[in-house]
Amino acid sequence: DAGVIQSPRHEVTEMGQEVTLRCKPISGHNSLFWYRQTMMRGLELLIYFNNNVPIDDSGMPEDRFSAKMPNASFSTLKIQPSEPRDSAVYFCASRPGGSSYNEQFFGPGTRLTVL
Amino acid sequence: AQSVTQPDIHITVSEGASLELRCNYSYGATPYLFWYVQSPGQGLQLLLKYFSGDTLVQGIKGFEAEFKRSQSSFNLRKPSVHWSDAAEYFCAVGANTNAGKSTFGDGTTLTVKP
Repeated sequence: DAGVIQSPRHEVTEMGQEVTLRCKPISGHNSLFWYRQTMMRGLELLIYFNNNVPIDDSGMPEDRFSAKMPNASFSTLKIQPSEPRDSAVYFCASRPGGSSYNEQFFGPGTRLTVL
Repeated sequence: AQSVTQPDIHITVSEGASLELRCNYSYGATPYLFWYVQSPGQGLQLLLKYFSGDTLVQGIKGFEAEFKRSQSSFNLRKPSVHWSDAAEYFCAVGANTNAGKSTFGDGTTLTVKP
């Protein structure tokens, strides 16, 4: 199994540009999570989906952030317009359903730098 | 609401010494508890987890953790630390729902001295 796949691994963009981060979860996993990690704020849960449906987006910082999961094998996190304070590592994680005992499997992350 | 506290932001130990990383949780029901490790430049990886049964659980890389309900703790231990254990360690408590959201602690960074 290839694990959770994220692309791109690194993204450098200028303030005001649109940024789209992509995630392919592990096949068969029911839940998908987007996190943001910074030195100042640590690991923050932005949004999570269960069976492609957003369950809780209370962690999304503001309207500039949006996430979609059009099918079980793909999700995107979009920032429009981007700002320097959005610079962080963004992680996607997926998790099999059926039991609360199942752990999350994390992707390698996308390092975003907004100039 | 569930919460996790990792009291130690940064710990330094000598290679070969023992290690204990502290984790305290708050949860209204029986918790699902996890320890993850994050090596530099990588995502988080599960070390071990606990829900029920034997309160001492074994994980990968020689780690173990002990669940103590009376202290609301789930401390991570390793008898002899290797230089490759230098990383950031996260404790997490999981909700008892199918969607499986977990609440993570702020992490403890482990430095290993030669």
